[in-house]
Amino acid sequence: GAVVSQHPSWVICKSGTSVKIECRSLDFQATTMFWYRQFPKQSLMLMATSNEGSKATYEQGVEKDKFLINHASLTLSTLTVTSAHPEDSSFYICSAPEAWGPQHFGDGTRLSIL
Amino acid sequence: AQTVTQSQPEMSVQEAETVTLSCTYDTSESDYYLFWYKQPPSRQMILVIRQEAYKQQNATENRFSVNFQKAAKSFSLKISDSQLGDAAMYFCAYFQGAQKLVFGQGTRLTINP
Repeated sequence: GAVVSQHPSWVICKSGTSVKIECRSLDFQATTMFWYRQFPKQSLMLMATSNEGSKATYEQGVEKDKFLINHASLTLSTLTVTSAHPEDSSFYICSAPEAWGPQHFGDGTRLSIL
Repeated sequence: AQTVTQSQPEMSVQEAETVTLSCTYDTSESDYYLFWYKQPPSRQMILVIRQEAYKQQNATENRFSVNFQKAAKSFSLKISDSQLGDAAMYFCAYFQGAQKLVFGQGTRLTINP
């Protein structure tokens, strides 16, 4: 079946650095991908919708300059957390819908900022 | 805007017993999808079951089945013969058109051996 690959699965970095997370659809084209953030014991919170070839659509309250999204091809979307700080530590997960059907999720990235 | 509500933050069940997780949603649309996702401690999001709103028949996947009540906007998940591997967070989700998934708050399911 369709698979979404997310990389890296876990990253630890120093405060002030930028971190890039990749989300790839492996056997289908995804003109749209979604980026979520999940705090412990909570539901997934949609951060932004990544659109191939155009600007991402951010949810209210999400800083566009902090969370840069690029969707340069039909199989790859990237989320860059710029100048990361400890409060950006979280679990980030991407997903891609396959036409009319369920979202396929990546395995998530655990981000820890020291 | 569509909303999804899971009113049971936590549920527990004895192994081999049956448990039902509740979900209600609010929408003015007539054509949409509903899903149950499972998130084990590994935090992978695993699709458990899906239901198309235009189908009256309740979806079934092995030990998992749903009770879809469109008029009542209710979509509950029944897990039969519960197994230890069923322990996880369960999320109900709504999807319509090319729009985003709307998730419920989640229900943490514990299986007691």
